[in-house]
Amino acid sequence: GAGVSQSPRYKVAKRGQDVALRCDPISGHVSLFWYQQALGQGPEFLTYFQNEAQLDKSGLPSDRFFAERPEGSVSTLKIQRTQQEDSAVYLCASSIWDEQFFGPGTRLTVL
Amino acid sequence: AQTVTQSQPEMSVQEAETVTLSCTYDTSENNYYLFWYKQPPSRQMILVIRQEAYKQQNATENRFSVNFQKAAKSFSLKISDSQLGDTAMYFCAFMKHEGGSEKLVFGKGMKLTVNP
Repeated sequence: GAGVSQSPRYKVAKRGQDVALRCDPISGHVSLFWYQQALGQGPEFLTYFQNEAQLDKSGLPSDRFFAERPEGSVSTLKIQRTQQEDSAVYLCASSIWDEQFFGPGTRLTVL
Repeated sequence: AQTVTQSQPEMSVQEAETVTLSCTYDTSENNYYLFWYKQPPSRQMILVIRQEAYKQQNATENRFSVNFQKAAKSFSLKISDSQLGDTAMYFCAFMKHEGGSEKLVFGKGMKLTVNP
């Protein structure tokens, strides 16, 4: 595709449910990033992949958050036992060098 | 750790006017990139302009230009001839330059409204 795509665009979960957010990066982009953007705030880094290797997961807020990119392309961010504080927009970005291209994000609302 | 500060939460400007958005950052790195991103209500983060720290010349991109003051750790964005489509959140961001992709560190953003 022409750009980074994310699905779903909106997700409503009940507290305690597990959710999975998908990111399709631009074809050929080696690097993939996940960011969390709380309402009224700037995005904050969660984790980074280079191909299938997760090189940095220092931004994941708890062990309920898990990300994978098994074949070095599509990535999934999974949140287990969602809490209200997980409500945010989750942005995915891919890059081949030093410019990151962002997807439209997934807005997660935890009730 | 790097930090990025945008002290103006919100600004408004009349169409065709010029507006300057401020950004300061803190880092001990010598090689880095600075970016301004635009995020309209659709949420798609769009790159507006970038600056490599080793370049003394300020970056320009059509109506957008920056004033990069490395010693002062200041990186402001000037939008000339503002257009209604410039209405959006604007984020200043920092990235270390270590020969490959690195995470972005964002400021809190500034809401710009361009009025007709």
